[in-house]
Amino acid sequence: EVQLVESGGGLVQPGRSLKLSCVASGFTFSNYEMNWIRQAPGKGLEWVAYISSGSSYIYYAETMKGRFTISRDNAKNTLYLQMTSLRSEDTALYYCARVITTTNWFAYWGQGTLVTVSS
Amino acid sequence: EIVLTQSPTTMAASPGEKVTLTCRASSSVSYMHWYQQRSGTSPKLWIYETSKLASGVPNRFSGSGSGTSYSLTINSMETEDAATYYCQQGSSYPWTFGGGTKLELK
Repeated sequence: EVQLVESGGGLVQPGRSLKLSCVASGFTFSNYEMNWIRQAPGKGLEWVAYISSGSSYIYYAETMKGRFTISRDNAKNTLYLQMTSLRSEDTALYYCARVITTTNWFAYWGQGTLVTVSS
Repeated sequence: EIVLTQSPTTMAASPGEKVTLTCRASSSVSYMHWYQQRSGTSPKLWIYETSKLASGVPNRFSGSGSGTSYSLTINSMETEDAATYYCQQGSSYPWTFGGGTKLELK
């Protein structure tokens, strides 16, 4: 069974940094492209970042470019999102998701980890 | 960026009623994907590549469309179908989602 378990969320002050993790199991992590997607409280879904299976290709949503860094450790079956210069508008539930890149749909989602940016 | 506009934003349907949700793209896309999100849970893949049902999705659901206009149809509304449905395009970066349609039980 595919499982994605996010962690690392919490309350952080504006301007500070936070690193999220997503541990994968039930599939060969190193074979799959991964993403972060977020959802602000009561709002819709927003794609954040993509990383290829071997980390050769990385893409970000424009508003996250330069502040967020996606990475992965295939030996640890873990996906990361390093977030810096956090703003109140980054407050959201952050999901990791496995993407199927034939036509780019998100096959599996984690349960999410909540990031709250507030002073 | 391709903007996806879903309509209606909210709707209510009675059990047995036929329901159609629409998703319009600001530019042509090759496929549309749909997700169901029940309250307090993660989104689930529901329909991929416009018309293919994800594993476990009842066959009262169907998807159709092309170019800039896509739809998700429920042939006969059931209680368990009450949820928010999001469309998503993967044709070009940034991948984008629609704002969602909240479907309630009447």
